[in-house]
Amino acid sequence: NFMLTQPHSVSGSPGQTVTISCTGSGGSIASTYVQWYQQRPGSAPVTVIFEDHQRPSGVPGRFSASIARSSNTASLTISGLQAEDEADYYCQSYHDISHGVFGGGTKLTVL
Amino acid sequence: EVQLAESGGGLVQPGMSLRLSCAASGFPFDDYVMHWVRRAPGKGLEWVACINWNSDIIAYASSVEGRFTISRDNAKNSLYLRMDSLRTDDSAVYYCAKDIRGFPNGVDVWGQGTTVTVS
Repeated sequence: NFMLTQPHSVSGSPGQTVTISCTGSGGSIASTYVQWYQQRPGSAPVTVIFEDHQRPSGVPGRFSASIARSSNTASLTISGLQAEDEADYYCQSYHDISHGVFGGGTKLTVL
Repeated sequence: EVQLAESGGGLVQPGMSLRLSCAASGFPFDDYVMHWVRRAPGKGLEWVACINWNSDIIAYASSVEGRFTISRDNAKNSLYLRMDSLRTDDSAVYYCAKDIRGFPNGVDVWGQGTTVTVS
């Protein structure tokens, strides 16, 4: 089964840049698209990246993402960190066998 | 504006059934795959099920297969989740979600969620 693994937590100070990794196992992370979702406490998830690196309208350009085939890893980078970025972040992809797969989530703390 | 509005959550006893509904608006409903995703207290997001436009592609998470049934009514722009034989570990906020594409891929729009408590 395909799985996605994220760090439990990351942190950064306002203005800094943080990167959240999402490592695939049981298959190639590049074989299907990866999405990234932000979920603040008490709120519904919000899509911040779709199809590997596309940003929905309304999502700040401070959010970017990439895929590294060599390490089978997707990464979400948030630059110019702001207090409002504090949230849980999830990577996700869809596979024919494993179907919808979410990473375990990463808690981003803005110090 | 694209909107998804879930309803039907509540408190039920283990072994009982519940039917969730999701009313969609602001987009051509029958062009897109639709998903249910849940988040249990203290846990992360978990994909539950998805269905394509004409219901010939339906998939479930192994944790719910055989107990949950996803369906849709394109004439009513509505998505449903029938949940049978509910267990305490099915307690979660359930989100209706619109796929980016007409094939299973990922979500671009989320509903606000409806809470299911099995106790």
